[in-house]
Amino acid sequence: ILNVEQSPQSLHVQEGDSTNFTCSFPSSNFYALHWYRWETAKSPEALFVMTLNGDEKKKGRISATLNTKEGYSYLYIKGSQPEDSATYLCAFAPSSNDYKLSFGAGTTVTVRA
Amino acid sequence: NAGVTQTPKFRILKIGQSMTLQCTQDMNHNYMYWYRQDPGMGLKLIYYSVGAGITDKGEVPNGYNVSRSTTEDFPLRLELAAPSQTSVYFCASRRLAGGPSSYNEQFFGPGTRLTVL
Repeated sequence: ILNVEQSPQSLHVQEGDSTNFTCSFPSSNFYALHWYRWETAKSPEALFVMTLNGDEKKKGRISATLNTKEGYSYLYIKGSQPEDSATYLCAFAPSSNDYKLSFGAGTTVTVRA
Repeated sequence: NAGVTQTPKFRILKIGQSMTLQCTQDMNHNYMYWYRQDPGMGLKLIYYSVGAGITDKGEVPNGYNVSRSTTEDFPLRLELAAPSQTSVYFCASRRLAGGPSSYNEQFFGPGTRLTVL
């Protein structure tokens, strides 16, 4: 079992504010780091799959960075909107079994109008 | 494409009963997975399959069984339901490796909410 930690567990953001949160994962045996967005009553959907140290990915107002040497990734939401309210999951894929993901417990973001 | 479909959406079982959670994908994906999601715990891998006829245990396989007779279907069987199996169950699939890293993403079904009383 690989230890993937996300912090904070939850956060509340005012509409229009920007925010970020962290995913920590093992720095050895790294293959990929996934980010998923999970809205209430729906199923998780992939945001990013990142494989290279220093990678930066962007989708609309959401972006992510990756540091494989120190074992962390940040997810940023710029100008938060109510529709950004969701749980954001990160998942680590080791090079020994890149098709098996270890998920963090998630960061739940609530955007207040 | 319908993607990943799961049935049923909800089910209440009595202790000791058995049931099968169905999962089907129409994307011709080789890899399929079963996860359970408990509050505050994230997703835990129960079983996975790398292709028809091949299955293996994940982190929390006790009390469950799977089979993979076709590429499309990956049912999860609970033989003797216990209250500890109350959870939300997600099936997911992924294509065979190769190509851009985005190809490694997993596609999730809508989930089955199971309560064991």
